[in-house]
Amino acid sequence: KQEVTQIPAALSVPEGENLVLNCSFTDSAIYNLQWFRQDPGKGLTSLLLIQSSQREQTSGRLNASLDKSSGRSTLYIAASQPGDSATYLCAPRPQGTDKLIFGTGTRLQVFP
Amino acid sequence: KAGVTQTPRYLIKTRGQQVTLSCSPISGHRSVSWYQQTPGQGLQFLFEYFSETQRNKGNFPGRFSGRQFSNSRSEMNVSTLELGDSALYLCASSLGQGDNQPQHFGDGTRLSIL
Repeated sequence: KQEVTQIPAALSVPEGENLVLNCSFTDSAIYNLQWFRQDPGKGLTSLLLIQSSQREQTSGRLNASLDKSSGRSTLYIAASQPGDSATYLCAPRPQGTDKLIFGTGTRLQVFP
Repeated sequence: KAGVTQTPRYLIKTRGQQVTLSCSPISGHRSVSWYQQTPGQGLQFLFEYFSETQRNKGNFPGRFSGRQFSNSRSEMNVSTLELGDSALYLCASSLGQGDNQPQHFGDGTRLSIL
């Protein structure tokens, strides 16, 4: 059974800092892994999808890496801004299914 | 291109009633999945549909059911509502199995049980 853990659970930083959010999963038989952000009371916004054959994926100030064999992914946020404040969720997709398994999330607050 | 649309956005029901939630996927997407989000349990998978067939089901009681129509729109139904069913219900769509396209989520339906 796939289990996903995200560390830290919460993070509060001043604007401008570079951040690393960690995600670990127990079963390496995944198709891909997706990172999402969720604003309070809202749905999920897809940030990055990294395929199992890839090592990393970049979009603007965001960079996600994947080490499938060790069951780890990291989301790197460069030059954080107050608008980055949200909960960040990682979700590996087990092979052969569209189902995503979610971690508990990292609640990020970036203050001016 | 319109995103995933869920209706209604908010719903208040009482114990014992039943409810139907609707999800319209992104045009061209054939796979629809449903998730329940609560503060205590986080995001949990309910079920997944592809081409009108349920392919996967999560660990929820039989009171939770769903279906998908030929136009890929999906509905989920919860019967005999319990207080613990209060949650944000999220729907996600993607192109379908075998693809590496991301799943896209709607804004959810917030269900409150009194």
